[in-house]
Amino acid sequence: GDSVTQMEGPVTLSEEAFLTINCTYTATGYPSLFWYVQYPGEGLQLLLKATKADDKGSNKGFEATYRKETTSFHLEKGSVQVSDSAVYFCALSGPGGSQGNLIFGKGTKLSVKP
Amino acid sequence: GAGVSQSPSNKVTEKGKDVELRCDPISGHTALYWYRQRLGQGLEFLIYFQGNSAPDKSGLPSDRFSAERTGESVSTLTIQRTQQEDSAVYLCASSLVTSSQYFGPGTRLTVL
Repeated sequence: GDSVTQMEGPVTLSEEAFLTINCTYTATGYPSLFWYVQYPGEGLQLLLKATKADDKGSNKGFEATYRKETTSFHLEKGSVQVSDSAVYFCALSGPGGSQGNLIFGKGTKLSVKP
Repeated sequence: GAGVSQSPSNKVTEKGKDVELRCDPISGHTALYWYRQRLGQGLEFLIYFQGNSAPDKSGLPSDRFSAERTGESVSTLTIQRTQQEDSAVYLCASSLVTSSQYFGPGTRLTVL
């Protein structure tokens, strides 16, 4: 079945460091891909998404490119801030690319130190 | 406008008791989803509503779990005869048919 694998954390970086969180997927058809973020004490928020191959999603300085050839959707940010400390979840839409349930990775906790 | 709300925010119950968790979706969102997040795990899909019908119940872990939705409004997730392995954060999300899902803050359920 469809699945998402993301790098295990926790990831600890200094402020202004470069961030990469790896995400790979297995899916039938052409799913949409998402990154969600969960800040401490808050609910899940959509960070960015891409709906087809080679699309780049971007928001708040974060970027991810939908790579069909490597089945990947890695999250990157050039210069992290303390306020980026959160848990990041990679997800894909349900089988066949429908807008049904999302399938999530286990999450990667990011801590950014001043 | 208002986001997805869930109640209660925390629920502690004894093993064997029934619990009801409530979700109020964003007004106008026709799709509603329930997920479960156990400690240290990713989110597991439970059930999906389109309007008040549930075309996908594939994630419900056992017949102790059920869910209802009234029209395109409130949904309740009921867990009967709770077990300790039911302890988790239960998350609700809503969306328009073809849009991204917006999540509520979750209900943290602890079964003693």
